[in-house]
Amino acid sequence: GQQVMQIPQYQHVQEGEDFTTYCNSSTTLSNIQWYKQRPGGHPVFLIQLVKSGEVKKQKRLTFQFGEAKKNSSLHITATQTTDVGTYFCGADSWGKLQFGAGTQVVVTP
Amino acid sequence: ETGVTQTPRHLVMGMTNKKSLKCEQHLGHNAMYWYKQSAKKPLELMFVYNFKEQTENNSVPSRFSPECPNSSHLFLHLHTLQPEDSALYLCASSQTGGVAAGELFFGEGSRLTVL
Repeated sequence: GQQVMQIPQYQHVQEGEDFTTYCNSSTTLSNIQWYKQRPGGHPVFLIQLVKSGEVKKQKRLTFQFGEAKKNSSLHITATQTTDVGTYFCGADSWGKLQFGAGTQVVVTP
Repeated sequence: ETGVTQTPRHLVMGMTNKKSLKCEQHLGHNAMYWYKQSAKKPLELMFVYNFKEQTENNSVPSRFSPECPNSSHLFLHLHTLQPEDSALYLCASSQTGGVAAGELFFGEGSRLTVL
């Protein structure tokens, strides 16, 4: 069956630094979604990527979908304390959405 | 306010109890989902309902019994649970189910502890 891997599992970042989290699927995807879950909260939708090679930006967040539609990345620039939380990718393989285990981000001032 | 409301927010039950989790969405969506979130594990899809019909049962033990009386309401009936069933149970909705379902709107979750 489909496997979805997210790396790294944990990311400790100094405030102001950049970091990237990656999502890799064992199967070709129809689309990929990204969610953020703050500590004690619930997952909140960030973005959906559909096209091969697609790049979307939301302020300091840049999302990319791989050419083969099997992987994706989320890059955050100038990390702020508000970026704390766990970032999940949801890999949609033609109607079956499977989540990765998430990257837990800790920001130190 | 996400438009998806879950009750109760916290539930403690014994292994022999029967309880229910409730989810209500005010978004006019046609698909509703139950997910289980355990520590250090990916979100696990349990059930999917699309236009009140169950379209997905992800090999969930029969001690979890879903009910979807209409497109706005979803229940998860619990009976004779095990301690390993302790987790955060998240309800979600989307405009439609299946291919191109679009973004999921999650409720705040019901934190379940089984003693």
